[in-house]
Amino acid sequence: DQQVKQNSPSLSVQEGRISILNCDYTNSMFDYFLWYKKYPAEGPTFLISISSIKDKNEDGRFTVFLNKSAKHLSLHIVPSQPGDSAVYFCAASDVYGGTSYGKLTFGQGTILTVHP
Amino acid sequence: DAGVIQSPRHEVTEMGQEVTLRCKPISGHNSLFWYRQTMMRGLELLIYFNNNVPIDDSGMPEDRFSAKMPNASFSTLKIQPSEPRDSAVYFCASGDRGKRQPQHFGDGTRLSIL
Repeated sequence: DQQVKQNSPSLSVQEGRISILNCDYTNSMFDYFLWYKKYPAEGPTFLISISSIKDKNEDGRFTVFLNKSAKHLSLHIVPSQPGDSAVYFCAASDVYGGTSYGKLTFGQGTILTVHP
Repeated sequence: DAGVIQSPRHEVTEMGQEVTLRCKPISGHNSLFWYRQTMMRGLELLIYFNNNVPIDDSGMPEDRFSAKMPNASFSTLKIQPSEPRDSAVYFCASGDRGKRQPQHFGDGTRLSIL
């Protein structure tokens, strides 16, 4: 039972264009969502997050959108740069759920390649 | 500011051997998480601790796996006996339960069981 899904295993984008990575979830108890970026031979690095009381959060070139009714979130990177090439993981948590605070459920990841 | 430190970075051993993975969380963090990444299952949570106490070990695959956190600055994940299907990258992460901040990950231990 995969509660967090990233249906696109890979995405290829030209430098300077927008990258859109998508994530769907099934557990309605999730109320905190994160995106992590991972380079080979390194651990995931936090990128941006959003709580369920918001529908958008922006940090520089990175924006996360949350559509609660559709149980869908997306990460927009504008403009994309070759250094953004990495695996991007979507993760979800029921931060306010009490006993499972901090427990993250990850998607399978999307490999983003940004071509110069 | 030191991040989460894991050792060893790589471990190759024969099946049946005991394997011990180590983790030093970020100083001041009170939550610690062990994850495993495989091609088949992706990144999955094995166990996590709050204030050195195991809270949820439902992700631990079998009794062959055990984890301890004897103090706030050290945790181990042990596999005994190890099997080839345990081959994976094991990540440790730490966080602050009292703050709405993301977990910070170590660079992982790549484990190969022959």
